[in-house]
Amino acid sequence: AQKVTQAQTEISVVEKEDVTLDCVYETRDTTYYLFWYKQPPSGELVFLIRRNSFDEQNEISGRYSWNFQKSTSSFNFTITASQVVDSAVYFCALSGVDNQGGKLIFGQGTELSVKP
Amino acid sequence: DTEVTQTPKHLVMGMTNKKSLKCEQHMGHRAMYWYKQKAKKPPELMFVYSYEKLSINESVPSRFSPECPNSSLLNLHLHALQPEDSALYLCASSQDSLRANSPLHFGNGTRLTVT
Repeated sequence: AQKVTQAQTEISVVEKEDVTLDCVYETRDTTYYLFWYKQPPSGELVFLIRRNSFDEQNEISGRYSWNFQKSTSSFNFTITASQVVDSAVYFCALSGVDNQGGKLIFGQGTELSVKP
Repeated sequence: DTEVTQTPKHLVMGMTNKKSLKCEQHMGHRAMYWYKQKAKKPPELMFVYSYEKLSINESVPSRFSPECPNSSLLNLHLHALQPEDSALYLCASSQDSLRANSPLHFGNGTRLTVT
């Protein structure tokens, strides 16, 4: 069975603080893909990053960085120097090679509130 | 701007009404999806169309009827809905539903209220 756990339901920070959103996954697949999506109040889910199970290199994109560790089945997301515009719900998601034709397993989401 | 366009943005309908949600993408994607999302919850998959054929129906009640007229368009026909069907309905597309590494591209959603 596949599962994604985002233990942090809500996080509140003050602008310019760094914040890490946790994601832990379970899968029996040896090949799988992990994703992060951002959902601002407008509703659209915005694709942020994809990672495949064979690539454990950490990635940085501007103020965003991702730490993928297979040993702990985690794919954490850090925002450096947070800004009010980062306020959103963030979803971690998993897709296996045998993804049953398009099923993406979402975590429950973490609502991030960045206050000025 | 999103590359997946959904209309209308908001819809209020009575339980006896018939309405349709529309979705359009021009990215050449061959897979299109309908998701339902309740407040404070992750999206729940409803339907997947792959190459214009329905490939997944997640046991959705028949009062929701999907249609894929062509590879760019996806409709969701609504009839005799219940108040508990009120939610945000999201359309998404991807290059190919059979490729696990294809990210989904979502529209802004239609916020549906059933009275």
